[in-house]
Parts: sequence; structure tokens; C-alpha cells
Amino acid sequence: ETGVTQSPTHLIKTRGQQVTLRCSSQSGHNTVSWYQQALGQGPQFIFQYYREEENGRGNFPPRFSGLQFPNYSSELNVNALELDDSALYLCASSLGSKAAQETQYFGPGTRLLVL
Amino acid sequence: DAKTTQPPSMDCAEGRAANLPCNHSTISGNEYVYWYRQIHSQGPQYIIHGLKNNETNEMASLIITEDRKSSTLILPHATLRDTAVYYCIVRVARALTFGSGTRLQVQP
Repeated sequence: ETGVTQSPTHLIKTRGQQVTLRCSSQSGHNTVSWYQQALGQGPQFIFQYYREEENGRGNFPPRFSGLQFPNYSSELNVNALELDDSALYLCASSLGSKAAQETQYFGPGTRLLVL
Repeated sequence: DAKTTQPPSMDCAEGRAANLPCNHSTISGNEYVYWYRQIHSQGPQYIIHGLKNNETNEMASLIITEDRKSSTLILPHATLRDTAVYYCIVRVARALTFGSGTRLQVQP
């Protein structure tokens, strides 16, 4: 148990819809990173938030956006859902600096299915 | 981040040591070696990390060669619950770059 929680655990959406996934970081952690894991592949980095600001982004289109709140919890928003967005979405928290090389601890993930 | 190479799968007998190799021949001096594992459909679990010295914690030991071009994760007494995909990651940036990992099957 890492103390990182995510909601919901499972979600079904249709193509074109929008979705919001939520993450509560481990107590004391100020950095949240989001990853997408397609079936049979390793997780891919989406972006990271440090003290409410985006602090790095992977190769994902702008329809993937996020927020971090003053309590360091975070949301991942995906607009205009596509079938290929079906995946396990993982949140990881760390006690970071802007350089953010500290160990990341993962939550259980949200499994999104786009029909 | 430097690329890592891991065998796609390994078997290990329950109670024996599991030795998982990782090659990272292009590693730079300030890049850490991290190991995570992922049990089916769960979030990745942090195991251990190191820079150049060998490391040990309650879960595993990490042996890094002197030239840092390869490392081995050792689970000293594997149990059925250690069956998982193990990822070796060389990291300098804020993101973890996961490869395909090694699928470890612990056999009874």
C-alpha cells in the first residue's frame, strides 16, 4: 500500500466524450505524475505536476490536460475520447523538487474503456 | 534516458533466489537504476534503486557492475506472490521510461 488513491477504479465512455480521473497523493507528497498503460505495454509518461504547475510533459496531445490542487491531489482530463485512449491510467506521487528525480509511488490505476 | 534490455521472461522455483538481469550499456554518470514490478492489472510497485553502489532493502538486492553497464535484481527467496512483470529503468529525468520488462513466473 502506497497511500496513493485513484478514482474511479473502472470507467466506460463512448468515443467523443470527455473524462476526468482523480488522484490523491501520498501524505506529504507534492508532486504527481500521470501515466497511460495500454494493454500489454509498459506505462507511458503523460505529464507531471509540481506544486500546482505542469512540470514536464510526454508525447501526448493537448486534449490530455491536468490540474493539481493546493492539497496536491490531481485530476487528469481527456477530451474527445478516442478508441485508443482505452488503457489503465496510473497516478504516481513523490516528494519532489522541480528537478523531480525522487522515487515515485504508484496508485492502483483507473481502467478506462472507450467504446 | 538510457535504453535498457531485459529478457522477456524467466522462471524461478519457489524458495530459490530469482536473479533478474538488465543491460544498460549507454548509462550516463548521473543516471540512476530503478526497479519496479507490476502484478497483473495493479499499479507498479517500487522495489529498489541505486546509482553505483550495491543496495539492499527488505524486498531485494540490487547489484550494479563496476562499469555500470548492467545490473541484477535479486529476490533472495522467491514466493508465488513475486510472480509479476519486473521493469528495469534508467532515469535522469522526471519521467520514468518503462520498457517491456521481464515476466517472472515463480513455480511451486
